[in-house]
Amino acid sequence: AIRMTQSPSSLSASTGDRVTITCRASQGISSYLAWYQQKPGKAPKLLIYAASTLQSGVPSRFSGSGSGTDFTLTISCLQSEDFATYYCQQYYSYPQTFGQGTKVEIK
Amino acid sequence: EVQLVESGGGLVQPGGSLRLSCAASGFTFSSYWMSWVRQAPGKGLEWVANIKQDGSEKYYVDSVKGRFTISRDNAKNSLYLQMNSLRAEDTAVYYCARDGALGYDDWGQGTLVTVSS
Repeated sequence: AIRMTQSPSSLSASTGDRVTITCRASQGISSYLAWYQQKPGKAPKLLIYAASTLQSGVPSRFSGSGSGTDFTLTISCLQSEDFATYYCQQYYSYPQTFGQGTKVEIK
Repeated sequence: EVQLVESGGGLVQPGGSLRLSCAASGFTFSSYWMSWVRQAPGKGLEWVANIKQDGSEKYYVDSVKGRFTISRDNAKNSLYLQMNSLRAEDTAVYYCARDGALGYDDWGQGTLVTVSS
């Protein structure tokens, strides 16, 4: 199985900050990567697919980049509603696997 | 509006069985792969299984192979997960998700399965 490793596992940031989360795949996955946001008690929400394509309705402050094994999710100007846990997921091969999550907390 | 509504969760003893259902509406159900994804309490997300539009292809994570069966009824716009030989480590919230081939673009609210004696 392809292992997805996110860093950091958690971070503290302030509203208005630029935040970057990285995701590394244990083998190449081309651009078959998605990013999700999850708030407590809620289902995940798709933010980005194909590594860099913004899902419809997602604010443009979210962006994704990377291909192969290294990927990043960037929030350009953190808003209060962005405090949540973020997951990357590869859909290059089965089993589809998720990163362990990155919790973005208020500083 | 896309809606996915799971049901069937609950408390079950180790070794027991449970059948989860997911009722879909607001889109052409028969045109999409569908998946089950679970989340153990306080833990991350784990893909469990998915099924092709016509049910001809099914894939499972190794830990549930031989115990869980995914199925669908396109006439009823419904997705199912039959879970047998349940273990404590199967305790989780189970989400039904629409598989858009580029990620899961819609999710249900989840149903909690607790395996405990």
